[in-house]
Amino acid sequence: GQSLEQPSEVTAVEGAIVQINCTYQTSGFYGLSWYQQHDGGAPTFLSYNGLDGLEETGRFSSFLSRSDSYGYLLLQELQMKDSASYFCAALYNNNDMRFGAGTRLTVKP
Amino acid sequence: NAGVTQTPKFQVLKTGQSMTLQCAQDMNHEYMSWYRQDPGMGLRLIHYSVGAGITDQGEVPNGYNVSRSTTEDFPLRLLSAAPSQTSVYFCASRTANYEQYFGPGTRLTVT
Repeated sequence: GQSLEQPSEVTAVEGAIVQINCTYQTSGFYGLSWYQQHDGGAPTFLSYNGLDGLEETGRFSSFLSRSDSYGYLLLQELQMKDSASYFCAALYNNNDMRFGAGTRLTVKP
Repeated sequence: NAGVTQTPKFQVLKTGQSMTLQCAQDMNHEYMSWYRQDPGMGLRLIHYSVGAGITDQGEVPNGYNVSRSTTEDFPLRLLSAAPSQTSVYFCASRTANYEQYFGPGTRLTVT
């Protein structure tokens, strides 16, 4: 199957930088997305990487390396409101999206 | 724009009952999809549609049917509810640049 691996939990302090890694299966791979989900809420879109390299959107950046079947989400200048679950999601064959189990980020003062 | 809307927000069914979860989007997106999310897990794709009249199965399609008669609407039907279908259901629509927008979700309990 097309499974994704990401850490289950990460803890960091306000103002710090945190990186959440994600590895995926390569067969049929099209691109990698990242989503944020607060408890009880719906996932919200953060980024999509269809090509290798870094995509930057404000305090959040996402990176993809197809040769390593690997991507990461980088969160800078952490704020308390960034405490949430973060999911990587791999798109296969343009239409089939598979999610990782999520990384729970706790930001401490 | 209302974005992606879902009804109902909560639903309790008895085993064997059927129901339809409604989903609508007003962003004119061709691609729409349904996911389920079980506690502590990621989302799993149930069905998707790349446009009106076209649907296909995702990772976990068994026990669910979909149809797409218009661009705006993408209902999900549970044919005969089972306790294993207790979950939170999210509908989503996607832009051509792969930005995916989710509805607020429907929390379904099957007893």
